Amino acid sequence: KQEVTQIPAALSVPEGENLVLNCSFTDSAIYNLQWFRQDPGKGLTSLLLIQSSQREQTSGRLNASLDKSSGRSTLYIAASQPGDSATYLCAVHQAGTALIFGKGTTLSVSS
Amino acid sequence: KAGVTQTPRYLIKTRGQQVTLSCSPISGHRSVSWYQQTPGQGLQFLFEYFSETQRNKGNFPGRFSGRQFSNSRSEMNVSTLELGDSALYLCASSSGGQANTGELFFGEGSRLTVL
Repeated sequence: KQEVTQIPAALSVPEGENLVLNCSFTDSAIYNLQWFRQDPGKGLTSLLLIQSSQREQTSGRLNASLDKSSGRSTLYIAASQPGDSATYLCAVHQAGTALIFGKGTTLSVSS
Repeated sequence: KAGVTQTPRYLIKTRGQQVTLSCSPISGHRSVSWYQQTPGQGLQFLFEYFSETQRNKGNFPGRFSGRQFSNSRSEMNVSTLELGDSALYLCASSSGGQANTGELFFGEGSRLTVL
């Protein structure tokens, strides 16, 4: 059974710092991995989708990497801003199943 | 292009009542999935519909049901509400396809409080 883990559960950094969020999964037979952002009480906003054949994807200050063989993905946020404060969730997609989510990392960026 | 629209955004019900939530997917998307989010359990998959057929189902009791219409809009229903059903219910749409491994786009959710 696929399990997705995100460490740390919470992270506080000062504005301007570069940071890395981690996501690990137990079964490497995935189609893709998706990173989301969730603001309090809101829905999920898709940030990046990495197909299993890809190693990384970039969007603006965000860069996500995928190492399928080791069951790991990282989300790198460059030059963090207070507006980046949110919960970040990763989810993996396998054939015939729904997205399986981690519990998320809650990021707080102080000015 | 309009995103995923969920209604109502907030609702309060009492134990034993039933509730119906609605989701309109992104235009052209044929797959709609429903998730329940609670602080303790995180995001849990309820079911997925594709072309009016339930394609996948999570591990929830039969009180939770859903359907999809020919225009891809979807509804989910919870009967005989319990206190533990209080949660944020999220709908996601994707273009679908055979394995449904496309990118998912979520709505803002329906916040259900059961008293």
